[in-house]
Amino acid sequence: QSVLTQPPSVSGAPGQRVTISCTGSSSNIGAGYDVHWYRQLPGTAPKLLIYHDTNRPSGVPDRFSGSKSGTSASLAITGLQAEDEADYYCQSFDSSLTGYVFGSGTKVTVL
Amino acid sequence: QVQLQESGPGLVKPSETLSLTCSVSGGSISSYYWTWIRQPPGKGLEWIGYIYYTGSTNYNPSLKSRLTMSVDTSKNQFSLNLNTVTAADRAVYYCAGQAPNSNWFDPWGQGTLVTVSS
Repeated sequence: QSVLTQPPSVSGAPGQRVTISCTGSSSNIGAGYDVHWYRQLPGTAPKLLIYHDTNRPSGVPDRFSGSKSGTSASLAITGLQAEDEADYYCQSFDSSLTGYVFGSGTKVTVL
Repeated sequence: QVQLQESGPGLVKPSETLSLTCSVSGGSISSYYWTWIRQPPGKGLEWIGYIYYTGSTNYNPSLKSRLTMSVDTSKNQFSLNLNTVTAADRAVYYCAGQAPNSNWFDPWGQGTLVTVSS
């Protein structure tokens, strides 16, 4: 199982706000390592959505925001749109495993 | 803008070696740590490891005993060899770039599915 835990699914109506949690431990998020988020549309490669906890790459709408506290991080999507239906993954570094780790993934459904 | 393209056999026999190459275009091979990530169908992402243009590597400890990565700077390519494969190694394999002094992955290749079967 994944080192970083995410809810398997979240859903919301168009225009609503949803949040995805990413729970780690003292050897990864809790140790202060950055958290990054990726969006994976069906049949495509993941794409960077948030880096360094809260930063958006050029071209990513400000509807997407990241936060981190303690051993957890969160991705918020406001103004949910149909095109936001995708799988979302968090990623960090784990000092115990001495490598990069991903979350279990969360499927966002727009009702 | 850096673009990545994976290539290699889509079918490998059990106990044999999985070999993939990633071609880098639109940028220098010295610009990133070059990373492999895999995703079993319907499952999550697993970091495999990275190689720098100098040949320096960092492998996932769970795969390290079966893994070799190499880089060919003259061809702007890097490669993955995973030996003694089993059905558990069936996955979409992605190559990706990790900029120096960063610990996130961007850009990504489109991915290639490798099936392990006799």
